[in-house]
This record gives sequence, C-alpha cells and structure tokens, in this order.
Amino acid sequence: AQTVTQSQPEMSVQEAETVTLSCTYDTSESNYYLFWYKQPPSRQMILVIRQEAYKQQNATENRFSVNFQKAAKSFSLKISDSQLGDTAMYFCASDGGTSYGKLTFGQGTILTVHP
Amino acid sequence: DTGVSQDPRHKITKRGQNVTFRCDPISEHNRLYWYRQTLGQGPEFLTYFQNEAQLEKSRLLSDRFSAERPKGSFSTLEIQRTEQGDSAMYLCASSSLEGQVMGNTIYFGEGSWLTVV
Repeated sequence: AQTVTQSQPEMSVQEAETVTLSCTYDTSESNYYLFWYKQPPSRQMILVIRQEAYKQQNATENRFSVNFQKAAKSFSLKISDSQLGDTAMYFCASDGGTSYGKLTFGQGTILTVHP
Repeated sequence: DTGVSQDPRHKITKRGQNVTFRCDPISEHNRLYWYRQTLGQGPEFLTYFQNEAQLEKSRLLSDRFSAERPKGSFSTLEIQRTEQGDSAMYLCASSSLEGQVMGNTIYFGEGSWLTVV
C-alpha cells in the first residue's frame, strides 16, 4: 500500500521569507506523479505544483519549487518570498503510478504566514 | 468556465437518516472522483468514475454508501442510515482523459460538509 507522510503538523513564517515543507512517501512503482495541494480555510483545494518521478529536474512554479529525492523518497516544497495569501493547509500527495486520479494524501501541514 | 460544484455545501442530519450529495464536474471532464476528508486529515479516496462507469471503489465505501453517475455528467453520493462516524467533508473532483496521460490535473470542488447528530 502507498503511504505519504508529512511530519510537520504546523509551520509558520514571516512574510517575504522562505519556508520548506517536508514530505516522504513510499511506493513500489517506478513511475508516478507527486503533487502539492493548497487548501485555504473554507476554500477548495488547488494544485500548487507537480513532479513526475522520471524527471530528474525539480519542478518550479513561480515562488514554489520542490526538492525531489527519488532514492530517499522525499518530496519537499519550498515557498520563497512568502505572502499572506500563502496561509493554508498544504497537502503532499502521490498517484502511486495509477493512470487516473487516485491520490494518496499526507496528513497536511498548516502554514501560517505572519506580517 | 465554472469549476467543480457541489451541493449542498453543508448538511446536518440525524443519525439514521439518508443523505445525498450532488457533484457537477467541469464540463467535458470525463473522470470524476469522490474523496472524504475528516477534520485535520488529508482526503481519502472513495471512488472513481470514467464517464458513467464506476471503475474503482475503496474499502472505505461501505454498503451504506452508493455513488452514481448515470449519464456521465453529474454524480451523486448517497449515504444511507447515517452514523456519527460519517461526519466529514465529502470532496468531489474531476479531470479530463488525455489519452491515458498520467499526472492529469485533478480539480476539486469546495466540498460538502456532513454533520451527523
């Protein structure tokens, strides 16, 4: 069975600073996708960034980037120049190599950005 | 372009009653998913449709739960004889079938909160 673990229940950061959220996963598949989703309070979950396991290059999306370590099964999210609007619950997820959207999520990390 | 919409957004029901949630996916999305999320936890996969066919059901989906997508468009999730343990947010999501390409973006709705009292 697939597992995704986020060991940081809560994190906080000052506005404009950088923060890194951790995630580890376990899968027996060789190709799969990993995702970071953001869920603001009482708002819908939106995709922040995704990474294909076959790609060596770490994905980046504006202020968001990942550090993907396939051998260590680690997938951390770095948020640069943090903004107040980044305050949310962040979930790491894996599709386990399925060709459809069956995602396994971690427990989430609550990120608070302070002014 | 509208996103994934769910109705109702909130439902309070007495234990033992039946409830039904509706999901309208993004138009042209032929894949539809239901997830369940309890407070402080990540979503858990419940079931998946491709068009009108229900292709996978999680063990979490007990006999009291049934999901349908009769015409391959909207979907309903019914919970019969609700129990307090059913209290959760039920999330619907959709994605398009792009030639079986993996890693398709899945778009989530805002969820339907269920409270069983």
